[in-house]
Amino acid sequence: GAGVSQSPSNKVTEKGKDVELRCDPISGHTALYWYRQSLGQGLEFLIYFQGNSAPDKSGLPSDRFSAERTGGSVSTLTIQRTQQEDSAVYLCASSLAVEGRAEAFFGQGTRLTVV
Amino acid sequence: DAKTTQPPSMDCAEGRAANLPCNHSTISGNEYVYWYRQIHSQGPQYIIHGLKNNETNEMASLIITEDRKSSTLILPHATLRDTAVYYCIVRVAYTDKLIFGTGTRLQVFP
Repeated sequence: GAGVSQSPSNKVTEKGKDVELRCDPISGHTALYWYRQSLGQGLEFLIYFQGNSAPDKSGLPSDRFSAERTGGSVSTLTIQRTQQEDSAVYLCASSLAVEGRAEAFFGQGTRLTVV
Repeated sequence: DAKTTQPPSMDCAEGRAANLPCNHSTISGNEYVYWYRQIHSQGPQYIIHGLKNNETNEMASLIITEDRKSSTLILPHATLRDTAVYYCIVRVAYTDKLIFGTGTRLQVFP
């Protein structure tokens, strides 16, 4: 597709289980971002991948959260031992990261509910 | 630390211009100003960005003060579909991460 694709769109999991969220960025985009948004709140930065550089993980809230980007394309955000406070919409975005063309395009998000 | 300050909410009549202010008094010379918006239940959408000159595109205009300490996003003829949360972001370079603040909730009314 032409846009950023995230899967699943909805995920319900039991507390303590691990979950994987997937992001397919726009083809050719070198930058990829993960955010989470709790109900009624703003976007919380989690992690940023830019080309072959080491990812900026400064926003990850705990060591239960990790992300990888394989082959400079698809990214997976993994949450281990999920807690109820992890319930949120997880948003992925990608951009060209080229001067004048740096706008980020967002997916529709994965709504995670931990019960 | 928040780099931008925006009013939490604003109202605008349909068909009128919506002027959304943003303060970024600590902005550095190489930092860009970006604007995004988020319509309910959707991912954020890019609107416009600029460095020091005023910018215009099909969606909006961006006016940056000469000292670059503040800017205004202008939606020239607001419609009900422009009701959204608008985020002003400063960013060092096009390769830098995007950090969102709390934004301004714009309500356009008939």
